[in-house]
Amino acid sequence: QTVVTQEPSFSVSPGGTVTLTCGLSSGSVSTNYYPSWYQQTPGQAPRTLIYSTNTRSSGVPDRFSGSILGNKAALTITGAQADDESDYYCVLYMGSGIWVFGGGTKLTVL
Amino acid sequence: EVQLLESGGGLVQPGGSLRLSCAASGFNFGSYAMSWVRQAPGRGPEWVSSIDASGGGRYYIDSVKGRFTISRDNPKSALSLQMNSLRVEDTALFYCAKHSGTVTRPIDYWGQGTLVTVSS
Repeated sequence: QTVVTQEPSFSVSPGGTVTLTCGLSSGSVSTNYYPSWYQQTPGQAPRTLIYSTNTRSSGVPDRFSGSILGNKAALTITGAQADDESDYYCVLYMGSGIWVFGGGTKLTVL
Repeated sequence: EVQLLESGGGLVQPGGSLRLSCAASGFNFGSYAMSWVRQAPGRGPEWVSSIDASGGGRYYIDSVKGRFTISRDNPKSALSLQMNSLRVEDTALFYCAKHSGTVTRPIDYWGQGTLVTVSS
């Protein structure tokens, strides 16, 4: 069974830039997987940041961007702010109507 | 404004049944695929089931096949999930989610969730 991989944790300084990645236990992520990114703070529903690789959801600031870097999907946050401290999840489309989420990255801003 | 309002969660014994509902508004419901995504306490989201815009295509994660049934009523802008033979490991917050197009396109909107607790 294919596993979607993410860094368990990451830290960034306020104002800094951080890139979170989303990979596969076997194979490379491409745009055909429609990689998407969600932000979640404790007690809240996930919020869509980026979908279909690099489409920013309505109201999401342009300091959040998505791309493919090498064999992984990537979420880059530039000019990190304190309220960016959240859990970030990616999801990939595996075909046949099936979606698989990654285990999430806990981002600390300090 | 897209709104998704889930209901129907609660406490049920193992082997029991629940029916979750989602009332959608703010978009042309019949034009978009919909999904249920669950999140167990302390864990990440897990896609559970999707249904295409017409209701003709239904998809499930292996662990719920044969136990859960997704359905939709487009004139009423309503999504449902019938859950039978519930297990302790089904305990989770269940989110109703809208896709950005067909089932092959990602989720772009989420509800606030309804909690399902399976316990004796």
